[in-house]
Amino acid sequence: NAGVMQNPRHLVRRRGQEARLRCSPMKGHSHVYWYRQLPEEGLKFMVYLQKENIIDESGMPKERFSAEFPKEGPSILRIQQVVRGDSAAYFCASSSTSGLGEKLFFGSGTQLSVL
Amino acid sequence: DQQVKQNSPSLSVQEGRISILNCDYTNSMFDYFLWYKKYPAEGPTFLISISSIKDKNEDGRFTVFLNKSAKHLSLHIVPSQPGDSAVYFCAASRNLIFGKGTKLSVKP
Repeated sequence: NAGVMQNPRHLVRRRGQEARLRCSPMKGHSHVYWYRQLPEEGLKFMVYLQKENIIDESGMPKERFSAEFPKEGPSILRIQQVVRGDSAAYFCASSSTSGLGEKLFFGSGTQLSVL
Repeated sequence: DQQVKQNSPSLSVQEGRISILNCDYTNSMFDYFLWYKKYPAEGPTFLISISSIKDKNEDGRFTVFLNKSAKHLSLHIVPSQPGDSAVYFCAASRNLIFGKGTKLSVKP
């Protein structure tokens, strides 16, 4: 009974490369959320997706960042042309519904380091 | 512009005593609050929550208090145990707006 699975755990990229972060939600969960944690900061909401739909992307930077949650397969957070400021821990969470106060179950995160 | 603030970055408590973690918020439209606990190199795990229609919710050693007029909530852990040492995040609905966290250290 796997929880939320994120891979890779650690990802190193050089400036200008692309980063792809994957998230497989808990079984039976169709709602996925992405958060970013900068050093010494809290988790900041980036995007909320349901299968094949972006519901809320109010926290996503306007450029270079995109997310998807296809009908089949994991959710992907894609960062194009990475810069040093993108270095952070990226957490994915999932839930079974989107009700008020719905508990989110988090993965262990992907630590992105941009050289 | 932080909507959820945890003004104490760290707290140290003796084992067996009470730990009180505080959280302030600015948006009176928030209607649900949650506390998450995070160990190093792991994702946050849900601890306890409270609806804005309540002022207290208790679960074992953990109690959350909500003061809507002051826009303040607090998490009480009693008695504190060394295994409680972690970073605690306060979060508010919707889409979970998180505070910066308070690192709790419980000393044996």
